[in-house]
Amino acid sequence: QSALTQPPSASGSPGQSVTISCTGTSSDVGGYKYVSWYQQHPGKAPKLIIFAVTKRPSGVPDRFSGSKSGNTASLTVSGLQAEDEADYYCTSHVGNDNFYVFGTGTKVTVL
Amino acid sequence: QVQLQESGPGLVKPSETLSLTCTVSGGSVSSSYWSWLRQPPGKGLEWIASIFDSGSANYNPSLKSRVTVSMDTSKDQFSLKVTSVTAADTAVYYCARHGSDWSFDFWGQGTLVTVSS
Repeated sequence: QSALTQPPSASGSPGQSVTISCTGTSSDVGGYKYVSWYQQHPGKAPKLIIFAVTKRPSGVPDRFSGSKSGNTASLTVSGLQAEDEADYYCTSHVGNDNFYVFGTGTKVTVL
Repeated sequence: QVQLQESGPGLVKPSETLSLTCTVSGGSVSSSYWSWLRQPPGKGLEWIASIFDSGSANYNPSLKSRVTVSMDTSKDQFSLKVTSVTAADTAVYYCARHGSDWSFDFWGQGTLVTVSS
């Protein structure tokens, strides 16, 4: 199973929006609703920010939103803030075989 | 609030076995699903294995021949063993709890394991 494809980097100025793509196949992203997104600051553990494609855990700002079209999932961060500067990873749970595949990661820079 | 803490040696020699334990507090290890993940320095995340409340487990196919996970409900702990390690197994190892819809909602802080002689 190959890693999901994410752009290596993305950037935006404070207040702007940035969208990160996560491209897989019909065997993973396109075939299941179990796409989640994680934010990771340097030296810290990942933090869940989106699950089941579009759902936000309690406490995650509504500036973070998720979507999916075909084999590509997307994470949008609206109203960029300095603390949003971090690495972001998508993952898809592959139901039939019961394993996970992660994205290659995207570094978001707030200009 | 669930908390997870990884523990184990930070240095393992090549060809030996890496052993880590995750201790769960604020919850019972027998009431959820749990996973091990890792992240080589400067690289992305990789799922290693999951263990379920029944004690059954699923493994990353690329690691399956070398990995074993187990659970000790009396201590609220679950463990990871990776045999025949090489430098490619050098990584920060995380334990995590499964949340809704196959997400990972709680993570340990991670522990760096270096494979070197």
